Amino acid sequence: EPEVTQTPSHQVTQMGQEVILRCVPISNHLYFYWYRQILGQKVEFLVSFYNNEISEKSEIFDDQFSVERPDGSNFTLKIRSTKLEDSAMYFCASSPGRANQPQHFGDGTRLSIL
Amino acid sequence: SQQGEEDPQALSIQEGENATMNCSYKTSINNLQWYRQNSGRGLVHLILIRSNEREKHSGRLRVTLDTSKKSSSLLITASRAADTASYFCASIYGNTGKLIFGQGTTLQVKP
Repeated sequence: EPEVTQTPSHQVTQMGQEVILRCVPISNHLYFYWYRQILGQKVEFLVSFYNNEISEKSEIFDDQFSVERPDGSNFTLKIRSTKLEDSAMYFCASSPGRANQPQHFGDGTRLSIL
Repeated sequence: SQQGEEDPQALSIQEGENATMNCSYKTSINNLQWYRQNSGRGLVHLILIRSNEREKHSGRLRVTLDTSKKSSSLLITASRAADTASYFCASIYGNTGKLIFGQGTTLQVKP
């Protein structure tokens, strides 16, 4: 069964540095998402992406965050200048449609900001 | 917040017993979904129930939806140690596919 893959599985970065988290969604999916989960807390929506543009973003997704689909397969999340509070698990998800369709999640990238 | 509470927050049972988890939500939904998260892993979709459905089954899983009470329950029958995980309900809000998750229930099934 096709999977969403995320790399790296763990990223350790100094505060203030830029970080890029990478995702390869399922190939025939059209809708892409990033979520994050701070340790011990619930999963929070960051951004949705469709037709090569952001369709919705949360309050968390400020100017430090950006997403890109640079080619036909990768979907990236960039944090420009990381803060301590950006430490979390970041999950990528994709779905074939947006209504009444399950989302398929990757195993996440654990981001640790020092 | 658009999503309410899940209860219980934690549940510990013996293998073979049934586990019931509840979820409440605050606004109208098109569907409600349940996901499982094993420790350190991503979320795995379990089941989706549409707002015009009241009950749905998938293997050992049974989900109910009561739109008048804005609540849903997930029942896992004949639990196994491998069912040990966190379980989250989630709903799509708006028209972009955004999922809003509940706090989750941590289930431990003892062998």
